[in-house]
Amino acid sequence: GEDVEQSLFLSVREGDSSVINCTYTDSSSTYLYWYKQEPGAGLQLLTYIFSNMDMKQDQRLTVLLNKKDKHLSLRIADTQTGDSAIYFCAERMNTGFQKLVFGTGTRLLVSP
Amino acid sequence: DADVTQTPRNRITKTGKRIMLECSQTKGHDRMYWYRQDPGLGLRLIYYSFDVKDINKGEISDGYSVSRQAQAKFSLSLESAIPNQTALYFCATSDPGIQNIQYFGAGTRLSVL
Repeated sequence: GEDVEQSLFLSVREGDSSVINCTYTDSSSTYLYWYKQEPGAGLQLLTYIFSNMDMKQDQRLTVLLNKKDKHLSLRIADTQTGDSAIYFCAERMNTGFQKLVFGTGTRLLVSP
Repeated sequence: DADVTQTPRNRITKTGKRIMLECSQTKGHDRMYWYRQDPGLGLRLIYYSFDVKDINKGEISDGYSVSRQAQAKFSLSLESAIPNQTALYFCATSDPGIQNIQYFGAGTRLSVL
């Protein structure tokens, strides 16, 4: 199947770290992405990782990739209230036209 | 101005009506997509187009049709709307690079009564 799985909700306190997890399906996926959706807006690319990498860091964001377990995570350090949003992981399939398959999205709520 | 613009942003319609959602982009991308978003289901691909003459069905195309009027314009039509087409609809474009990053419009919230 092509299900990309994420937990639906995550609640953290401001200043804590957030970790959002994703399990994908295609072990030959070349790129994996994290998108952020703020209320009333479209999806915005946060970061992506190439499949030959284990980790990518970009300011407060750290992406970890475990290809053996087909597990992707996004860590947000020093989470702020402005980080409250829905976060989608997506994998780029390595077949056909290399479409993106999106997860169900994780709603992150950051409380003061 | 937004790079990917969707109109209208909100629409309420009745069962059986024909509806058109429009998308225009200024990013110069050849590839354009229509998705729908439902709570707990993520985004599902309705149609995609790689250029003006290349249009393809996605995983949930039944009940929908599209038109690629120009490189910059890609519209989605519901010929006879039904309540289970109530959803948030997104248009996206993607860059020609190998990363295939997709850029999204702000979405159209459609309610079919």
